[in-house]
Amino acid sequence: QSVLTQPPSASGTPGQRVTISCSGSSSNIGSNTVNWYQQLPGTAPKLLIYSNNQRPSGVPDRFSGSKSGTSASLAISGLQSEDEADYYCAAWDDSLMGVVFGGGTKLTVL
Amino acid sequence: EVQLVQSGAEVKKPGESLKISCKGSGYSFTSYWIGWVRQMPGKGLEWMGIIYPRDSDTRYSPSFQGQVTISADKSISTAYLQWSSLKASDTAMYYCARHPGYGTQPDYWGQGTLVTVSS
Repeated sequence: QSVLTQPPSASGTPGQRVTISCSGSSSNIGSNTVNWYQQLPGTAPKLLIYSNNQRPSGVPDRFSGSKSGTSASLAISGLQSEDEADYYCAAWDDSLMGVVFGGGTKLTVL
Repeated sequence: EVQLVQSGAEVKKPGESLKISCKGSGYSFTSYWIGWVRQMPGKGLEWMGIIYPRDSDTRYSPSFQGQVTISADKSISTAYLQWSSLKASDTAMYYCARHPGYGTQPDYWGQGTLVTVSS
């Protein structure tokens, strides 16, 4: 059981907007920033969003992040087939003194 | 360009020892923490621990404390993850990843090292 809770799956059609939620607690999301990672099939995770809502250079602005209280969300607009991947949220946990991940959400583009 | 290059896939028997590596380049290796993340087949990401190569300050996730050893050799910009006695349940992909600081999440990731433990 992961410390951060994500839906196991999400789906959408090309061009649609989808959101993926990530729920935590006061010791992680509630007191620290959230990162999001994209893991394409057979590849290493890649940083998608850092510090709740910042995009690294090269990440399309179709991807956006937000945080409120002990929850965070990732939004993908203008869905494309190449967005089909697993998405993970992560935060530092002050009680566990380490990084905690969500269980991952498998995004399917229909 | 920041790069983390990991050693190749390993196939081991239960009870054997193993040390895998992660070489950093394109940045100041001693100024960032290096962490290790496990991904078991078909499962999610699990954070194992981190090391600060400048002084080898090492912290472990409670789930992995005593199960693995994280080390680093700053002279060759390389971090290591090792096991003294492998179990079949250690079969997984292992990623190293750079942390901008203590108390942060990873930014850059290695390509992964697949460890298979089977008799």
